[in-house]
Order: sequence, then C-alpha cells, then structure tokens
Amino acid sequence: AAGVIQSPRHLIKEKRETATLKCYPIPRHDTVYWYQQGPGQDPQFLISFYEKMQSDKGSIPDRFSAQQFSDYHSELNMSSLELGDSALYFCASKDPSSYNEQFFGPGTRLTVL
Amino acid sequence: AQSVTQLGSHVSVSEGALVLLRCNYSSSVPPYLFWYVQYPNQGLQLLLKYTTGATLVKGINGFEAEFKKSETSFHLTKPSAHMSDAAEYFCAVAPGPGFQKLVFGTGTRLLVSP
Repeated sequence: AAGVIQSPRHLIKEKRETATLKCYPIPRHDTVYWYQQGPGQDPQFLISFYEKMQSDKGSIPDRFSAQQFSDYHSELNMSSLELGDSALYFCASKDPSSYNEQFFGPGTRLTVL
Repeated sequence: AQSVTQLGSHVSVSEGALVLLRCNYSSSVPPYLFWYVQYPNQGLQLLLKYTTGATLVKGINGFEAEFKKSETSFHLTKPSAHMSDAAEYFCAVAPGPGFQKLVFGTGTRLLVSP
C-alpha cells in the first residue's frame, strides 16, 4: 500500500540558511498535517491544509511557511534557520472519509549546525 | 481544548509479562483517541484508535485499549510482551471527526528485558 513520502529524509543546514521539506500524501488524501518533534519530545502540530487551503495553525514560527499544491503535495519552507529548529519533521495525511486517522510519513531529520 | 497525560516516561517489563501503558485525556467534546508507536529513527505507526462504538478496541501486534469515559482514560495493554515491542508509545487525542490536529502525550518508552 502507498504511504506518505517525505523528502529529503535527512538534511543538514547551517544557521541562517533556508530549507524546504516536501511531503507527498497518500493518493486521494486531501488533508496534510505538519508536526515537529524535538529530541526526546512529543510531536507538536505546526500547520495543516485541506483542499489546498490552510485549515489550522499551531506553534509554527513566523520564519516558517507552508503550502499545499494542486496535486496535494505540500512543502514546508523554513528560513533563517536556528539551532533550535533541529528536529524530526513529520508530515501526515488523511483521506476524506476517515475518522481523523492520520497516516504519518517517515519524517525528515533536520540538523542545523 | 484537548490534552493528554501519559503516566510514566519509561516502563520496563520482562518478556512475556503484561504491558500496561497509561493515558488520560482531557477534552471538552467527545474525543477520538489514538495510540501510535515509534521505533528508533522511524515515523509514527498507528496501533489502534477509538472513534465511536465499542469501547474496547483491538489493534495491531496484539495490543488493545479500552476507552473509559468515566475515568477519562485510554490505557494500552498487551497480555504478553515481546522483545520487538520495545519502542516509544504516544497517546493522542483529536476533538472528533474532521481535519483537526492531533494532540500528543509526552510518550512512554517501553523497555523489554529477556
């Protein structure tokens, strides 16, 4: 069965650089969520999109932006990276008929040096 | 607002012993509840979920959980632990159907000794 695809799987950046994380949801899933999991912490919700429109916003820094495209894939853009942005970034997708069951991708591990 | 409390950041059991991971939730509306498992350096895998209906839900790998509204709990159990169960377990809550975000607990690391 198809799963959520995230790229890249690993990313190393310097402080003040920018990064773009990509998420490809399961086919026919129209909702995408982004979560950030710091070392030893629980996943924290960042932002979500439904039918290409932002549907909810969590603790996402102003330096970050995201969008969902016409093919439903989503990109998380991160600028002016800080050391504290080092984390595992998960994307999850949901299909229209599920009871909020979110399918998670393998995550992108971002390391900021 | 929704919140989740997982009692015990670490739980240690012997192989073959009962596994009990505790989760209590707070929700102003009937919640949807989930348990996810995370193996090292991997994503989150859904173990089981409660939405409506039967309060005892069975999941993958022999796990089950019971929704107890009166106790606002959704504890995860497995009769006999296996070495491969060693992982991080997260309880999560969502305020019903739709595209609302999941709110996670802080996680419980399950350690299984031979």
